[in-house]
Amino acid sequence: AQSVTQPDIHITVSEGASLELRCNYSYGATPYLFWYVQSPGQGLQLLLKYFSGDTLVQGIKGFEAEFKRSQSSFNLRKPSVHWSDAAEYFCAVGPSNFGNEKLTFGTGTRLTIIP
Amino acid sequence: EAQVTQNPRYLITVTGKKLTVTCSQNMNHEYMSWYRQDPGLGLRQIYYSMNVEVTDKGDVPEGYKVSRKEKRNFPLILESPSPNQTSLYFCASLPGGRVGELFFGEGSRLTVL
Repeated sequence: AQSVTQPDIHITVSEGASLELRCNYSYGATPYLFWYVQSPGQGLQLLLKYFSGDTLVQGIKGFEAEFKRSQSSFNLRKPSVHWSDAAEYFCAVGPSNFGNEKLTFGTGTRLTIIP
Repeated sequence: EAQVTQNPRYLITVTGKKLTVTCSQNMNHEYMSWYRQDPGLGLRQIYYSMNVEVTDKGDVPEGYKVSRKEKRNFPLILESPSPNQTSLYFCASLPGGRVGELFFGEGSRLTVL
């Protein structure tokens, strides 16, 4: 069964500092991987996705993620965070079957930005 | 504006009082789904629908019903809510051919006393 682990429940970084959020996955085949962001009081928004090809993918809002098959990881990075990046971030994998299109989400990492 | 709209956004109710959370999308998406979000558990799928009149169970369907009579609407029905259904609920839709690129509503926070 597919699964996603986000080992960090909460991360605090200073505005302007770099950011890396960790994600490890378990999947039986070549995975489809995603990062979603949930701003306070909002629904989830897709940041970026990886299907195949270049292992470094670019997303919206200046985020990027790198797929590392050998480590089963898909970490999210940003060179310099802004106060508006404070949110909860979810890594997801899937779908396990294309009849459902279901994504399996991690438990999320809450990002706090300090001035 | 392309969006998924859920109502109500917040609701406090009592055990056993039937309620419906509505979901509507204006993007003509065939696929729609309901998730619930609980602390430490992430998002879990409740039900999904591949098209009108086609629905199926997700991972945690117990205590819920859905219907899909029109493409744009996918209501979530709690026939007899219980406190363990206190949660944050999200409706999502998916454009055809765009694997995993879900469009989410803003969520409905439900408290069952």
